[in-house]
Amino acid sequence: DQQVKQNSPSLSVQEGRISILNCDYTNSMFDYFLWYKKYPAEGPTFLISISSIKDKNEDGRFTVFLNKSAKHLSLHIVPSQPGDSAVYFCAARQGGSEKLVFGKGTKLTVNP
Amino acid sequence: DGGITQSPKYLFRKEGQNVTLSCEQNLNHDAMYWYRQDPGQGLRLIYYSQIVNDFQKGDIAEGYSVSREKKESFPLTVTSAQKNPTAFYLCASSNRPRDTIYFGEGSWLTVV
Repeated sequence: DQQVKQNSPSLSVQEGRISILNCDYTNSMFDYFLWYKKYPAEGPTFLISISSIKDKNEDGRFTVFLNKSAKHLSLHIVPSQPGDSAVYFCAARQGGSEKLVFGKGTKLTVNP
Repeated sequence: DGGITQSPKYLFRKEGQNVTLSCEQNLNHDAMYWYRQDPGQGLRLIYYSQIVNDFQKGDIAEGYSVSREKKESFPLTVTSAQKNPTAFYLCASSNRPRDTIYFGEGSWLTVV
């Protein structure tokens, strides 16, 4: 039973355009969400997070949006750069728990 | 240079042998974690430790063992009881158990 779903295994965008990566979750008790970026054969790097008390969080080119009623969050990257090409993981945590639940990831390719 | 160091990066072992993966952090983080990633899959939690001399099973602990004798060290032993040990193993830590998790560079284990 997958509690965090990233339904698009891959996404391809042109340099300079917006990349939108989506994530859906089923557990309404999740109250903290994170995005990680991962290059092949390396550990994931933390990008940005959002608490369930907010609906938007921005950090430079990265913005995460949370729609609690739809149990959906998205990561926007504007403008996209070739160096953004990587696998992006969505993760969620339930209040009071130490465990992060990860999605399967979306591979983003930004074409020059 | 603060961070999480995993060793070795690549490890080959024969079936039936136990193998220990090292994880050291100099971030003074209280909590440490071990995750496993298989191709096309998200990260799955093996074990975690919130404090020295204490650890809990994650979602896929069978066939693995850990110890936490020092704050900075959290080694993972993959035993012969683990049915599919070939995978990419990631160690992580966080300042407190429910803070953002930061990852090491990972260790590739191949069992032949």
